[in-house]
Amino acid sequence: GIQVEQSPPDLILQEGANSTLRCNFSDSVNNLQWFHQNPWGQLINLFYIPSGTKQNGRLSATTVATERYSLLYISSSQTTDSGVYFCAVELDYKLSFGAGTTVTVRA
Amino acid sequence: EPEVTQTPSHQVTQMGQEVILRCVPISNHLYFYWYRQILGQKVEFLVSFYNNEISEKSEIFDDQFSVERPDGSNFTLKIRSTKLEDSAMYFCARGGAGELFFGEGSRLTVL
Repeated sequence: GIQVEQSPPDLILQEGANSTLRCNFSDSVNNLQWFHQNPWGQLINLFYIPSGTKQNGRLSATTVATERYSLLYISSSQTTDSGVYFCAVELDYKLSFGAGTTVTVRA
Repeated sequence: EPEVTQTPSHQVTQMGQEVILRCVPISNHLYFYWYRQILGQKVEFLVSFYNNEISEKSEIFDDQFSVERPDGSNFTLKIRSTKLEDSAMYFCARGGAGELFFGEGSRLTVL
């Protein structure tokens, strides 16, 4: 099956810092999504981004489908940004998830 | 308002007992999914359900698991005889050839 690798596995930030999370995938995919898993375990949709660049407030994402990677940018991080960020790619109508990046933002 | 509502939010059960987890989509969709996340691990695909039939299932989805959409609305995941290793968060999702939306999850604890 398709392999999805996220880096780094863990990230500790000072409040206000910027960061970049990366997602590499092993095969061509139809779609790609980024999720934030909050402390209660809920998966919150951040971006649906099969290609190109999107922005939503302090977050933005870029997917370069031809090179099989996606990047999630967090700018001016806040403590509420803490949690696990998952990348998931869709092929044959199902999502395959990466192992996630655990982000801790310190005040 | 969530796209998908799941019940119960948390269930504790004894090993060997049957468990039914429920999912109610807010609007009518044809594609539904169950995913599982063991604590601290990544989210894993269990089964997809299209037009009231299983479309695809993973190796995890063995004979202990079953899915139904009994009344055309609720979508259920049944675990016939729970094992300790079934302890996990179970997510229902709706979607298809596009963005998937997940429910808030049902946390299952097997003792």
